[in-house]
Amino acid sequence: QKEVEQDPGPLSVPEGAIVSLNCTYSNSAFQYFMWYRQYSRKGPELLMYTYSSGNKEDGRFTAQVDKSSKYISLFIRDSQPSDSATYLCAILINDYKLSFGAGTTVTVRA
Amino acid sequence: DSGVTQTPKHLITATGQRVTLRCSPRSGDLSVYWYQQSLDQGLQFLIQYYNGEERAKGNILERFSAQQFPDLHSELNLSSLELGDSALYFCASSVDIGQGQETQYFGPGTRLLVL
Repeated sequence: QKEVEQDPGPLSVPEGAIVSLNCTYSNSAFQYFMWYRQYSRKGPELLMYTYSSGNKEDGRFTAQVDKSSKYISLFIRDSQPSDSATYLCAILINDYKLSFGAGTTVTVRA
Repeated sequence: DSGVTQTPKHLITATGQRVTLRCSPRSGDLSVYWYQQSLDQGLQFLIQYYNGEERAKGNILERFSAQQFPDLHSELNLSSLELGDSALYFCASSVDIGQGQETQYFGPGTRLLVL
């Protein structure tokens, strides 16, 4: 069983829409959850970081962790064409290793 | 710009050959991580070094090896290359040993094509 699963999409939304991205994970002991954004031909960059459960908000971005369901989400409000990218969820495994989801490719149409 | 540099940006080589990828971490970062990103496998952790010593291994093949030098730059050596090794190779760095809330900063990657 994979440590983290993510629907690769792709996802296409009109400008201004809410983008909803999700991942599921296998081990309820995992504590650290991240979302990375990767533009085409670039390295991933950290967007959001959440410890344990609950919500975290940063501008137009909200990250949620539901530990009872082993489900993590990223919401992007008022989406912009510049948000078009691949979004990867990641979970910290065994302190050192980051395990990434497959990534969801998002296109925001102007 | 993350502050992590990788060279070369692109590399084209033939099967059976050996290549070396180079990474310079952000100033002050002691940990270096190597990742492989391919279409079918996604982003996979290969190996981590902390202050010159190997700290953690992931899905790294025996044909691959890495090291971190006293100036903290790192090299990933790929030998006996196969077509399936064609991928993007990323280096990331973090300040410390990688516990919990450590942020990993990724470089721009090296795109390897094995023909």
